[in-house]
Amino acid sequence: GENVEQHPSTLSVQEGDSAVIKCTYSDSASNYFPWYKQELGKGPQLIIDIRSNVGEKKDQRIAVTLNKTAKHFSLHITETQPEDSAVYFCAASRGSSNTGKLIFGQGTTLQVKP
Amino acid sequence: DSGVTQTPKHLITATGQRVTLRCSPRSGDLSVYWYQQSLDQGLQFLIQYYNGEERAKGNILERFSAQQFPDLHSELNLSSLELGDSALYFCASSFTTGVDITEAFFGQGTRLTVV
Repeated sequence: GENVEQHPSTLSVQEGDSAVIKCTYSDSASNYFPWYKQELGKGPQLIIDIRSNVGEKKDQRIAVTLNKTAKHFSLHITETQPEDSAVYFCAASRGSSNTGKLIFGQGTTLQVKP
Repeated sequence: DSGVTQTPKHLITATGQRVTLRCSPRSGDLSVYWYQQSLDQGLQFLIQYYNGEERAKGNILERFSAQQFPDLHSELNLSSLELGDSALYFCASSFTTGVDITEAFFGQGTRLTVV
């Protein structure tokens, strides 16, 4: 079935260090991979996404890489800041099935220590 | 602000009761998705509507139902509530249904507590 595994479940880094979160998906037909940031008491907020025809995408301090052969994708945050502290979710979607439903990973709680 | 509005923000109700959660999608978005977030299950897809029609179903219980109205707002109905139904319920909206995927934006959620 459809499944997304996310690691690690918690991550603690010093301010200024880099953080990496990894996800593996099971459905080889998945072709859209968004990342969401969820702060306490708020809904998930889209921070970056990548489609299957692209291997890497960057947006300032955030980058995402995709390896379709291995069915895994990763989120990289450089020069972390305390405001990056939140729960991060990866997700996968199979657009060709005519639905945009997202299958989420279990989430990673990122703590950035000042 | 994502542009997706969910009401109410908090709901406390007793076991066996029925509640209705409401979602107004972003202007122009045709797809509405409902997700359940609990501590041990993460974000689980429940159901999707596209332009008034059901498009996809996930692990939605038979006690739960949803609909999307002509003005595109959606309601999620939860009946015969059990303690285990306590969770955050999120609505998300996107412009397309999936063949040409566009970003999904989430509301702030409704926190349901069943006592």
